[in-house]
Amino acid sequence: SQQGEEDPQALSIQEGENATMNCSYKTSINNLQWYRQNSGRGLVHLILIRSNEREKHSGRLRVTLDTSKKSSSLLITASRAADTASYFCATDAFGSGTYKYIFGTGTRLKVLA
Amino acid sequence: NAGVTQTPKFQVLKTGQSMTLQCAQDMNHNSMYWYRQDPGMGLRLIYYSASEGTTDKGEVPNGYNVSRLNKREFSLRLESAAPSQTSVYFCASSQTGNSPLHFGNGTRLTVT
Repeated sequence: SQQGEEDPQALSIQEGENATMNCSYKTSINNLQWYRQNSGRGLVHLILIRSNEREKHSGRLRVTLDTSKKSSSLLITASRAADTASYFCATDAFGSGTYKYIFGTGTRLKVLA
Repeated sequence: NAGVTQTPKFQVLKTGQSMTLQCAQDMNHNSMYWYRQDPGMGLRLIYYSASEGTTDKGEVPNGYNVSRLNKREFSLRLESAAPSQTSVYFCASSQTGNSPLHFGNGTRLTVT
């Protein structure tokens, strides 16, 4: 079964608006990562946030992590048409001894020009 | 700097045929992974190799075998392909288990 589940499954917004997508997971983690996938391509890493961090920024991206609720959110501010892609969260399995990253089912974001 | 290279890009197999998907990385990464991506299912981990000489099962290992040939190369073998293995296969690598994954561009496999 999937460790992470993204919400919503699909999101359509106008250029310039903010986009928020959420990720919930089931077991304790060492860190959580967000990735972007453009159609037909491999995934590209966006941000890694560790379990002892609560918030992280990278350019127009802001990621929060709430380990008590086992959830994370990715905020893209001032969205652009080029942000149209699928976004995935990935979590590892804390205490497994190795980092086995499990991905969620993704959020498909469409930014309308 | 090529990053993660997967070959072939496309492949069509008949049920029962075998093939090996190749993956090589030039970033001197320790860990390597094989995922499959099906519509609506996200990515599912097939096998991974935390370091050279070790391999472990992921979420969906049945029907697959892997070989960590050396630090650079991690291959995925389908011994007897089935239509359920029609998917897009991604290889990824990371410096350590606690660092970002770098993905190849995928192999699109169709089993008829």
